Amino acid sequence: QVQLQESGPGLVRPSETLSLTCDVSGYSISSGYYWGWMRQPPGRGQEWIGSIYHSGNTYYNPSLKSRVTISVDTSSNQFSLRLSSLTAADTAFYYCARHVRYYGSGSYYDSFDIWGQGTMVTVSS
Amino acid sequence: QSVLTQPPSVSAAPGQKVTISCSGSTSNIGNNYVSWYQQVPGTAPKLLIYENNKRPSGIPDRFSGSKSGTSATLGITGLQTGDEAEYYCGTWDSSLSAYVFGTGTKVTVL
Repeated sequence: QVQLQESGPGLVRPSETLSLTCDVSGYSISSGYYWGWMRQPPGRGQEWIGSIYHSGNTYYNPSLKSRVTISVDTSSNQFSLRLSSLTAADTAFYYCARHVRYYGSGSYYDSFDIWGQGTMVTVSS
Repeated sequence: QSVLTQPPSVSAAPGQKVTISCSGSTSNIGNNYVSWYQQVPGTAPKLLIYENNKRPSGIPDRFSGSKSGTSATLGITGLQTGDEAEYYCGTWDSSLSAYVFGTGTKVTVL
């Protein structure tokens, strides 16, 4: 079955850049779907960071867009998140997920149907 | 703060029914399809409902979704202790050009 697994540092210093990778198994990223990143500060709700298509087309949350880059590596079947200029407010669980997205009859159909287990990232000196 | 508003908590006894509302606007729920997610503490969210009222394979029919105007509702019947979790609605917001999640609702089984 399709599985996603996040990896990256658990601790990052303020002002630095966070780099996370999501390894996808059981499905070829090149076959389709968008692939997304979400985050959840401890004790708080979910926030969508952005999503990427296998072709490289991206959507970013406008509130984070100036600091976010999402890229895809189809040869390794993985996609990545880079978040720059970190502050304590970026401390959160970070999740990757498969993003089912299409448009029809004037409406968007979006859902995240398969999630990774998540990885905790703490921003602290 | 989220553009999708949910009640902070709902509760009921085992076997009973709960409903969770998700209130939005024409730029999100009113014109796009809604999904619902269940997050058991300490775990990743799981998709419960997509396209307003469809259940992924493996999700029991005790879970149901509906939408009317700019609001959506998740229903859970035959409540079980394993249903204790945080529930989030989500949809695309065409004005923000962003996927938005609701504020989340904690379900407690009394």
